[in-house]
Amino acid sequence: GAGVSQSPSNKVTEKGKDVELRCDPISGHTALYWYRQRLGQGLEFLIYFQGNSAPDKSGLPSDRFSAERTGESVSTLTIQRTQQEDSAVYLCASSAGQSLTGELFFGEGSRLTVL
Amino acid sequence: QKEVEQNSGPLSVPEGAIASLNCTYSDRGSQSFFWYRQYSGKSPELIMSIYSNGDKEDGRFTAQLNKASQYVSLLIRDSQPSDSATYLCAVKVAGFQKLVFGTGTRLLVSP
Repeated sequence: GAGVSQSPSNKVTEKGKDVELRCDPISGHTALYWYRQRLGQGLEFLIYFQGNSAPDKSGLPSDRFSAERTGESVSTLTIQRTQQEDSAVYLCASSAGQSLTGELFFGEGSRLTVL
Repeated sequence: QKEVEQNSGPLSVPEGAIASLNCTYSDRGSQSFFWYRQYSGKSPELIMSIYSNGDKEDGRFTAQLNKASQYVSLLIRDSQPSDSATYLCAVKVAGFQKLVFGTGTRLLVSP
């Protein structure tokens, strides 16, 4: 597709369940980011992938959160044993090149609600 | 102190007026600064980037950067109701390939 694609667009789950969120970046974009946006808040950095380099995981809030990316393709963000405070919109973004001098292209997000 | 700070607003301006949005940042080493616009329920989109001190103009938008004061602003001239959105200031952290975002300022332009 032409843009960043995320799925599911909406996910309602029960506390304690695991969830997987998927991101398909723009073709050819080597960098991929995950951000979290709680209601009425700004974007909170979670993790960054660049090609085959080790990811920057400095923003992951706990060990319940993990993410994978195979090469320069799809990424999956996994949240284990979900808690109510995990409820948020999870945004994926991609960018071209190894140096962040330009634009991040965001997907429409995955809205997660933990009951 | 938050890395990137913005007034949450809302900032209300009448149609045709100039809207002024402000942002301060804490990392003196930051070199790249961005303004993203986010409509309600939508994802952010880039509207301006600025890397050097001074002003950068693009149509009705002007970004201003003052690295000595660690201050970035966005001016929107001839504001339109369609400009009503949340404006997010983002700063590239020195030495890292990530953007740190402020909480955003909500702008309301009334007809």
